[in-house]
Amino acid sequence: QKEVEQNSGPLSVPEGAIASLNCTYSDRGSQSFFWYRQYSGKSPELIMFIYSNGDKEDGRFTAQLNKASQYVSLLIRDSQPSDSATYLCAAPSQGGNTPLVFGKGTRLSVIA
Amino acid sequence: EPEVTQTPSHQVTQMGQEVILRCVPISNHLYFYWYRQILGQKVEFLVSFYNNEISEKSEIFDDQFSVERPDGSNFTLKIRSTKLEDSAMYFCASSINDSPLHFGNGTRLTVT
Repeated sequence: QKEVEQNSGPLSVPEGAIASLNCTYSDRGSQSFFWYRQYSGKSPELIMFIYSNGDKEDGRFTAQLNKASQYVSLLIRDSQPSDSATYLCAAPSQGGNTPLVFGKGTRLSVIA
Repeated sequence: EPEVTQTPSHQVTQMGQEVILRCVPISNHLYFYWYRQILGQKVEFLVSFYNNEISEKSEIFDDQFSVERPDGSNFTLKIRSTKLEDSAMYFCASSINDSPLHFGNGTRLTVT
């Protein structure tokens, strides 16, 4: 059974700082990873996905994947109070188009 | 941008009653999912549906649960005899092949 692990936080960062969110996974064969943002009481919203080792940047967000060490991270530059949410890491349970397994999420608080 | 829509947003029911949660996936998507999230816990996979049949289901998805795609647009989750522990947010999601999941806004189910 694939496991996706995240530190539940809360992670507090000052406004304008870089927030670093980490996720580890148990299945070395995992190929794709997804970061979702979830505001309290709302549904998960896709932030980024990454398939290849290395970095992928999209605006203020950078996803980093290290398959050898089995971790994936999300960096948020110039953090804003509106970034305060729970960030969920997810990976397909058996690769390809199989259902996503989610981590418990890391709660991020950006302090103005 | 196309959205996954779910109705109702909040459903209150008594223990032992049947409930039907409704979803309209994004129109050109082929894979449909139900997830649930008990308050304060992780997002959990229930069932996936492709080509008019269940493709995968989790241990949570027992005989009390069923899914249907009664026409070309709706996708429903039925819980036959609700229990207190079925109280949760239920999210519908859809995707095209190997693409990230797009979630609806969820239905909050409260069983009293």
